[in-house]
Amino acid sequence: DARVTQTPRDKVTEMGQEVTMRCQPILGHNTVFWYRQTMMQGLELLAYFRNRAPLDDSGMPKDRFSAEMPDATLATLKIQPSEPRDSAVYFCASGGDGPSVSEQFFGPGTRLTVL
Amino acid sequence: AQTVTQSQPEMSVQEAETVTLSCTYDTSESDYYLFWYKQPPSRQMILVIRQEAYKQQNATENRFSVNFQKAAKSFSLKISDSQLGDAAMYFCAYRSAVASGGGADGLTFGKGTHLIIQP
Repeated sequence: DARVTQTPRDKVTEMGQEVTMRCQPILGHNTVFWYRQTMMQGLELLAYFRNRAPLDDSGMPKDRFSAEMPDATLATLKIQPSEPRDSAVYFCASGGDGPSVSEQFFGPGTRLTVL
Repeated sequence: AQTVTQSQPEMSVQEAETVTLSCTYDTSESDYYLFWYKQPPSRQMILVIRQEAYKQQNATENRFSVNFQKAAKSFSLKISDSQLGDAAMYFCAYRSAVASGGGADGLTFGKGTHLIIQP
């Protein structure tokens, strides 16, 4: 049963600490997305990669957020330093190749709370 | 930029009845995809149904169907024979069919509709 996995599922940290969220896309998927969900803003695209190369990170605050794909089986989203306004659920999603393969498969999300 | 609007923050329906969730979108593109996602309290995002803009026929998946009106830029979801397990947040989403980077492959979501099923 192929699925996207994310760790940790929940994270509570204090302001100023570094936070790293990890995602394992479905094997064979070459596009990976990071979304953030908050009550106020809803679901927003932060960044995405195709074949491990960043294609767009315009939705991400550049000064504290960074996203990488060290290899095809791992995507990371890092916040340094974290702030209370970063509290949200962060979703990773992966998808197959080409625009005709439209579906994105979501992971269970990481709920981040910054105190 | 594309926008997606869900004008019903909350809807309530009796079990076994039919309910329709509304979604409108704004785009200058002619080719795109539209989706409905379900998010239960577990927070897992589950794809309910998808529609390709070039297809005139409305998509159906068992008890779920859509009314896609391209000219009106409307994409409503109908749930027939509502069940308690249908209770969730429902999100309408848009995706460009042009994979050219610049966020084209990302989904643009509406704010969601909270669906309550009354037993």
